[in-house]
Amino acid sequence: AQSVTQLDSQVPVFEEAPVELRCNYSSSVSVYLFWYVQYPNQGLQLLLKYLSGSTLVKGINGFEAEFNKSQTSFHLRKPSVHISDTAEYFCAVTLNQAGTALIFGKGTTLSVSS
Amino acid sequence: KAGVTQTPRYLIKTRGQQVTLSCSPISGHRSVSWYQQTPGQGLQFLFEYFSETQRNKGNFPGRFSGRQFSNSRSEMNVSTLELGDSALYLCASSLLNEQYFGPGTRLTVT
Repeated sequence: AQSVTQLDSQVPVFEEAPVELRCNYSSSVSVYLFWYVQYPNQGLQLLLKYLSGSTLVKGINGFEAEFNKSQTSFHLRKPSVHISDTAEYFCAVTLNQAGTALIFGKGTTLSVSS
Repeated sequence: KAGVTQTPRYLIKTRGQQVTLSCSPISGHRSVSWYQQTPGQGLQFLFEYFSETQRNKGNFPGRFSGRQFSNSRSEMNVSTLELGDSALYLCASSLLNEQYFGPGTRLTVT
């Protein structure tokens, strides 16, 4: 069975600083990986996805993630965060190339302060 | 294009009752998935429907069921509600390996 571990439940950071949100997954077969963001009282929004090909994936709002098969990781990074990036971030995995039936991590709350 | 809509947005039910939640996907999307979000368990996949057929199913008891209509609208039903069913229920429609989530229905069971 697949599982996802988000290593940090909360990440506080100052505005314009870089940030990395860590995600490790467990699977005996190839998986597809996603990062979603959830703003307060809203649904989830897709940031980026890895299906195949280049291991460095660029997403919306300046975020990027790197797929590392040997370390079974898919960490999310942003070189300079803004106050508006404050939200909860979820890493997810699926065997389904359609990107459905997602298994989510517990989430990481990113708090950006000035 | 309109996003995913879910009705109602908020619902309060009593233990033992049943509830039906509705989801209207983005026009043209044929896949609809349901997720439960709670503080303790996080986001958990319930089931997915595609062209009126259940395509994937999570690990939830049979009290949780769903269906999809020919216009791709979907409903999920929870029978014999328990206190632990209190959660945010999210619906997502998908196209080309991207899921688009609705704002959710907040269900409170008392």
